[in-house]
Amino acid sequence: DAKTTQPNSMESNEEEPVHLPCNHSTISGTDYIHWYRQLPSQGPEYVIHGLTSNVNNRMASLAIAEDRKSSTLILHRATLRDAAVYYCILRAMNTGNQFYFGTGTSLTVIP
Amino acid sequence: DTAVSQTPKYLVTQMGNDKSIKCEQNLGHDTMYWYKQDSKKFLKIMFSYNNKELIINETVPNRFSPKSPDKAHLNLHINSLELGDSAVYFCASSQDDFYTGELFFGEGSRLTVL
Repeated sequence: DAKTTQPNSMESNEEEPVHLPCNHSTISGTDYIHWYRQLPSQGPEYVIHGLTSNVNNRMASLAIAEDRKSSTLILHRATLRDAAVYYCILRAMNTGNQFYFGTGTSLTVIP
Repeated sequence: DTAVSQTPKYLVTQMGNDKSIKCEQNLGHDTMYWYKQDSKKFLKIMFSYNNKELIINETVPNRFSPKSPDKAHLNLHINSLELGDSAVYFCASSQDDFYTGELFFGEGSRLTVL
């Protein structure tokens, strides 16, 4: 159901940028790309979403490949509070707009 | 104010018992969801309600019965609890079922079945 592939884990040094990749080679034209993160012992929280163009918000940037078969979540300066599991999700428009979470990438931030 | 609140946060019970988890959202959203996160941390959607009507029911045993008394509440009742029901259950809401924006999640309810 998830239709996305992410590395199981990544590490980053504090204060450095982090690029979290996601492959979604079977994406359809109407699928939005969403990113959520889950901090330890908390519910997931929204990070960013996009369709075709790159997107920026106060938390992160989303870079979407021209063919839309992959995307990258960019945290510009990782902090210890960014240590979390990051989920890349396709909003499946043809299955009732439901969110299907994959296994995500566990990000460790090294002080 | 907490946007999506769930009670209880922790629940420990014996096999065979019946239990409920309550969820309330104060965001004025039309759609609410229940997700289950198992021990491997995989988040799986269980149910989705839009304006008190069930719109998604994934392959969940019929021991699980969601109830939505109004669009701000979506409670989860579980009958005849089994060991495999042990998990963290998350409630979430969104503005409507066609909205491409965000899901708001509660903090989760950890259910342990002994």
